[in-house]
Amino acid sequence: NAGVMQNPRHLVRRRGQEARLRCSPMKGHSHVYWYRQLPEEGLKFMVYLQKENIIDESGMPKERFSAEFPKEGPSILRIQQVVRGDSAAYFCASSPSVEQFFGPGTRLTVL
Amino acid sequence: EDQVTQSPEALRLQEGESSSLNCSYTVSGLRGLFWYRQDPGKGPEFLFTLYSAGEEKEKERLKATLTKKESFLHITAPKPEDSATYLCAVQGNTGANSKLTFGKGITLSVRP
Repeated sequence: NAGVMQNPRHLVRRRGQEARLRCSPMKGHSHVYWYRQLPEEGLKFMVYLQKENIIDESGMPKERFSAEFPKEGPSILRIQQVVRGDSAAYFCASSPSVEQFFGPGTRLTVL
Repeated sequence: EDQVTQSPEALRLQEGESSSLNCSYTVSGLRGLFWYRQDPGKGPEFLFTLYSAGEEKEKERLKATLTKKESFLHITAPKPEDSATYLCAVQGNTGANSKLTFGKGITLSVRP
């Protein structure tokens, strides 16, 4: 059973460009979470999704950030008009119920 | 708001020198407390879930315990390969909110 998959593993964008991060949950997992890890900071919750529904987006910045988990395909975290402060590691986790299992992360660098 | 504090921030041990990592938490109704291990450049690796005070779980050289205010991760006779950052997180049971609130982690270095 493959683990949580994320791609790309590394992403470089210039200020003002868009970043799209993808997450494929473990087979049989219907819950997807996105977290952000800044240098010297702990993991911070961003959004919780189930298929075609956003359940909790209380950790998402109000502007430029959006997330989806369509009926078919991976979950997408989209960051529009990136700024240097968006540079971080973005982790996706999936869950069958309680425990959350994390992917390897996407490291976003904004030049 | 749920809060997690881990201490110490960093810990250096000699191989074979047992110790404990602390995780203090406040949460409005605990659904679960989680321990993860994170190696540099990788995602957190799930270790344990604890659900209620008094519960203990073990895996190889690691044992996690839980009280109403804190959790400990005991490391017995550590080896260099146990070097990593150990993360503690809590999940509340209010409504549909199942997000994890993490501490900043404890970086463990084990010298051979």
